[in-house]
Amino acid sequence: GEDVEQSLFLSVREGDSSVINCTYTDSSSTYLYWYKQEPGAGLQLLTYIFSNMDMKQDQRLTVLLNKKDKHLSLRIADTQTGDSAIYFCAERRAGNMLTFGGGTRLMVKP
Amino acid sequence: EPEVTQTPSHQVTQMGQEVILRCVPISNHLYFYWYRQILGQKVEFLVSFYNNEISEKSEIFDDQFSVERPDGSNFTLKIRSTKLEDSAMYFCAGYGTGSSGELFFGEGSRLTVL
Repeated sequence: GEDVEQSLFLSVREGDSSVINCTYTDSSSTYLYWYKQEPGAGLQLLTYIFSNMDMKQDQRLTVLLNKKDKHLSLRIADTQTGDSAIYFCAERRAGNMLTFGGGTRLMVKP
Repeated sequence: EPEVTQTPSHQVTQMGQEVILRCVPISNHLYFYWYRQILGQKVEFLVSFYNNEISEKSEIFDDQFSVERPDGSNFTLKIRSTKLEDSAMYFCAGYGTGSSGELFFGEGSRLTVL
């Protein structure tokens, strides 16, 4: 299919790691992105990875890319209550347009 | 961090009215986009714009929609005759060829059509 798929919901305890998964569809995608959206707010670019990489680390965030399975994940270490938000993965296809997943709502319990 | 600025943050309009949403992209960006997000749903691509013309558009972007870059800085989305189903958050985004993949979004303009 043409959809970028994400699970709807993830709940973790403060201090634990969160792993948000995404499957995408286009093997020729050049970049893959993670955006964070807090209630009523815009899309904040968290991190992105070029398709020839399989891992990228940025402070508490680790992105893993499995091109063979078209699987992308975002790991948040030491998850805090301020990390509660909706997380969108997106793939950049031809023409530089992004196709978004439906978003994963992360709830962090104190 | 550089910012994409959108105005208005919220607009309420009557069905059938024209609406213009404005965006000031980051100054060195060359590619511009409009996306929309109906409440609780996915972020959907509307249109991309490069070199003062539309480079790609989705099925959503019908004849009621138009985009312009009238003065080399602002980037506008016009909806000629709004419908109830146009109620959504509209996001502007930009990308520059030297930006190594970074695609920044504005905070969005919430449009409510009554």
